[in-house]
Amino acid sequence: QLQLQESGPGLVKPSETLSLTCTVSGGSISSSSYYWGWIRQPPGKGLEWIGSIFYSGSTYYNPSLKSRVTISVDTSKNQFSLKLSSVTAADTAVYYCARRGLDYPFDYWGQGTLVTVSS
Amino acid sequence: DIQMTQSPSTLSASVGDRVTITCRASQTISAWLAWYQQKPGKAPKLLIYKASSLESGVPSRFSGSGSGTEFTLTISSLQPDDFATYYCQQYNSYWAFGQGTKVEIK
Repeated sequence: QLQLQESGPGLVKPSETLSLTCTVSGGSISSSSYYWGWIRQPPGKGLEWIGSIFYSGSTYYNPSLKSRVTISVDTSKNQFSLKLSSVTAADTAVYYCARRGLDYPFDYWGQGTLVTVSS
Repeated sequence: DIQMTQSPSTLSASVGDRVTITCRASQTISAWLAWYQQKPGKAPKLLIYKASSLESGVPSRFSGSGSGTEFTLTISSLQPDDFATYYCQQYNSYWAFGQGTKVEIK
């Protein structure tokens, strides 16, 4: 059974860079059939797609966040990572990693990790 | 950017009711639409893909329809486990979610 697990600091200071890693188990991140993505959800609010990456390193970012987002993949560790720079309180959210097929929505999700931006 | 608008934002219903949620896209997305269910403190769960295809393991009381810009999610007979928030998501051009519809107990 495929599992995804987010990890990283739960507290980040304003203006700093948020860094999270998603570890994939029970399947290979190097499959040519899937993309891997990040989605976030501010407390009490809706879902926002942040970006996606293919195992080859091809990336797609939400235009509203593109200037601050970097997503990378480490196939040797079966992991992919998110960096969000210059964070503010508005970036406080539960961050999810997820898998999607080539013409398919997100079908496997991590449990989510709360990141709070505060000094 | 494609914007997704769901209605209503909140829906009060009773067990056994037929429930319909609507999702509209700001431009045509063909049938590239998914529906998710989310319960408090949990990750979203995929229910429907390609507008009307039921994800494996999802009860048949859930159904989806529509194409182009207008879509619906229907729960034929609401069960206690169905009280949750539902999101639509387009995956025609990048990926964007609707703002959610909370189904609460009447």
